[in-house]
Amino acid sequence: SQTIHQWPATLVQPVGSPLSLECTVEGTSNPNLYWYRQAAGRGLQLLFYSVGIGQISSEVPQNLSASRPQDRQFILSSKKLLLSDSGFYLCASRTKTGGYYNEQFFGPGTRLTVL
Amino acid sequence: DQQVKQNSPSLSVQEGRISILNCDYTNSMFDYFLWYKKYPAEGPTFLISISSIKDKNEDGRFTVFLNKSAKHLSLHIVPSQPGDSAVYFCAASEVSVDTGNQFYFGTGTSLTVIP
Repeated sequence: SQTIHQWPATLVQPVGSPLSLECTVEGTSNPNLYWYRQAAGRGLQLLFYSVGIGQISSEVPQNLSASRPQDRQFILSSKKLLLSDSGFYLCASRTKTGGYYNEQFFGPGTRLTVL
Repeated sequence: DQQVKQNSPSLSVQEGRISILNCDYTNSMFDYFLWYKKYPAEGPTFLISISSIKDKNEDGRFTVFLNKSAKHLSLHIVPSQPGDSAVYFCAASEVSVDTGNQFYFGTGTSLTVIP
């Protein structure tokens, strides 16, 4: 089965500083990859998804960006963090089985606090 | 626009009783539904799924019911145990659409099972 790694696990950054969160996937190939954010007391908000290397789709306009330099690597970045960027960031992976996509597997998450 | 809704943000149940978590969706094209369980500071873990060709799927203490005409699904946990205390997210997707296949998540229901 798939294993998703995320780092760092926790991060405290000042407003205006840059951000780089990394996600790597093991145990599968050519997955769809996703970045979600869970803000305090809210559900899971899809930020970006990628169906292949270099292919990024943005669901929510904001000061974040994503990149997929390798098949099983997904990076979330920002040039200047805002207070509202604080939250719990989750990377997820989904692959095809028998012609259909199955459930998403989630990584352990990164807790980001912007001060 | 929230395509998947969980109208109850929290639910408390006595140990040994039934927990019923509800979820409604608006997109009639959704054909694959899942429930995830999430503990604080961890990624969601897959619990149970159901495709639109079924109206019930059972796995141990967990049963998911789907009412397509009402665009409603529910998760039943019987008997409830204190270890079931967590936030439960329902999610929906179009399984055969090759456009990223993102899941749409509800805002979650926090279940507390009282010993």
